[in-house]
Amino acid sequence: NAGVIQTPRHKVTGKGQEATLWCEPISGHSAVFWYRQTIVQGLEFLTYFRNQAPIDDSGMPKERFSAQMPNQSHSTLKIQSTQPQDSAVYLCASSFSAETLYFGSGTRLTVL
Amino acid sequence: AQSVTQPDARVTVSEGASLQLRCKYSYSGTPYLFWYVQYPRQGLQLLLKYYSGDPVVQGVNGFEAEFIKSNSSFHLRKASVHWSDSAVYFCAVSANSNNRIFFGDGTQLVVKP
Repeated sequence: NAGVIQTPRHKVTGKGQEATLWCEPISGHSAVFWYRQTIVQGLEFLTYFRNQAPIDDSGMPKERFSAQMPNQSHSTLKIQSTQPQDSAVYLCASSFSAETLYFGSGTRLTVL
Repeated sequence: AQSVTQPDARVTVSEGASLQLRCKYSYSGTPYLFWYVQYPRQGLQLLLKYYSGDPVVQGVNGFEAEFIKSNSSFHLRKASVHWSDSAVYFCAVSANSNNRIFFGDGTQLVVKP
């Protein structure tokens, strides 16, 4: 069991470019969560899927951010027209339900 | 909605000393409570969790936490800290097993040798 896999580990984009972050949950886990972590804001909930269906996206900025889970083996977080304030560590976690979350090591996004 | 307050942004203790990291939650029902730890450049890892039963729960590496409903608290304790315990500790709450988990802002623990 390799745990939750997030790729890439680091991504640098220019302002206005698109960034796609990937998450491979633990096999058999039915829930996938996305969080954003910054020094200033701490750990912010973004969105949550259960059995591939979006359950709660209340934390997602309505513009530029979107998340999908096309199959049970991966989820993506896409940020269009990236801005410097999007710079953060993006954490993905998976779970059997929403009990114990198993986190990946995160993707550090830097927007220049 | 649920929320979590960790009043101490940073706690410094000497190696071998006892530790308490404070956590208070806001939720009208009986919560699911968690403590997670984050080491540098890693994701969060579960230390312990409480759903019901004995209000004192044991976790990994000698950590324990006590659920006190009357105080809406779930403080984390350890009898004797080690330098390797230096990390950021997050308290979290959920309404039930199918709801999202709300995290506190975290407490950075620094263990001095």
